[in-house]
Order: sequence, then structure tokens, then C-alpha cells
Amino acid sequence: DSGVTQTPKHLITATGQRVTLRCSPRSGDLSVYWYQQSLDQGLQFLIQYYNGEERAKGNILERFSAQQFPDLHSELNLSSLELGDSALYFCASSVEGTGAQAFFGQGTRLTVV
Amino acid sequence: GQQVMQIPQYQHVQEGEDFTTYCNSSTTLSNIQWYKQRPGGHPVFLIQLVKSGEVKKQKRLTFQFGEAKKNSSLHITATQTTDVGTYFCAGAYGNKLVFGAGTILRVKS
Repeated sequence: DSGVTQTPKHLITATGQRVTLRCSPRSGDLSVYWYQQSLDQGLQFLIQYYNGEERAKGNILERFSAQQFPDLHSELNLSSLELGDSALYFCASSVEGTGAQAFFGQGTRLTVV
Repeated sequence: GQQVMQIPQYQHVQEGEDFTTYCNSSTTLSNIQWYKQRPGGHPVFLIQLVKSGEVKKQKRLTFQFGEAKKNSSLHITATQTTDVGTYFCAGAYGNKLVFGAGTILRVKS
């Protein structure tokens, strides 16, 4: 158990809908990363937050947004969903935001139908 | 933007054979990390290399960081069926941790 909790584990929704994925980092970790992994593909970096502020942005679509709350949990919002958004979404946390070791959650499998 | 190229994409070996995956960055890295993802699982941290030319070993796994801190390799000696999975390198560029595409390792017994 990495100590990072992601909910829900599975999500099935229709095209055009909006969903929210939630991540609770390890106790004491200030940095949260979001990654997207499509079937048998690599990990695409979406966005990183550090202590409530956006720290770095990757290939995140405008339809996607995220935030980190004062209690350090983070949410990834995906809107106007398309079939191609179906993927495994991982959250990872680390103590710092400067390339420290990342601990991954179990992921949320999103299926858009 | 920053990108980490990883090769090969896929390797299928006979049990007992060696395996190597390589990562390359066009710009200097702060550090490089290696992760393993078992089928159906999530990436798990293996090791971090920070110094130029650094070499670290974990049992049958040998990790190297290039002198210019732009490339790295993971070598597994005498693969076992328990080694199956996807091996990712992750390059640290300041605040960002950028993952390579991963190498899928299959081991035939």
C-alpha cells in the first residue's frame, strides 16, 4: 500500500458528461501529480500541484482541470468527455515538488461510452 | 518541452536471458528515477540516480546514469518470470517528473 488513495476505482460514463476524480496523498506529502495512461501506453503527465498551488503543467486538455485543496487532497475534473478520454488516471504524491520519489495510487479506470 | 525517450518499447526474452532498457533526454536532468508497473498494477518506485556517472545495484538489477546526466539504463541479469511488467524511467526537470513511454518486458519460461 503506497498510502495514496484514489476514488473511485472504476467509473463508466457517457460522452459529453463531466466527472471528478479524487486523490488523497500520503500523509505529509505536499506535491500531487496527475498522469493519464491509455491502454498499454506510457504515463502522460497532466499537471502537478504543490501545497495548493499549480506547479507544473503537461499535456492537459482545456476540458480538464484540477485543484489541490487546503487539506492537500486533489481533484481532477474531466468535462465534455469523449471516447478517447477512456484511460487509467493515476495520482502520485511526493514530499517535495522538485522531482522527488513519487508514490502512486491504484488509479481510476475511466470508461467513456 | 521536456521529453524522455525510452527504448525498446517491448522486449520478449527467454527466462535466464538478460534485459536492458535505455532512456535518453535532450536536456540535462536533475535526477532520474526508475519505476516498475506489474500487469494490472500501479507504478512502484525502484531507485533514484542523482550523480553524474552513478551506478547502483539491486540484486540482479543494475542502474546507470550517464556522465552528462542525459541518459540512463536499467539492466536485468538472468531474467525471471517475476520480472515481467513495464519498466519506466522518469526524468526530473526541476519541478516536473516526466516519464518515458516504458518498456514492456515479457519473460518466457
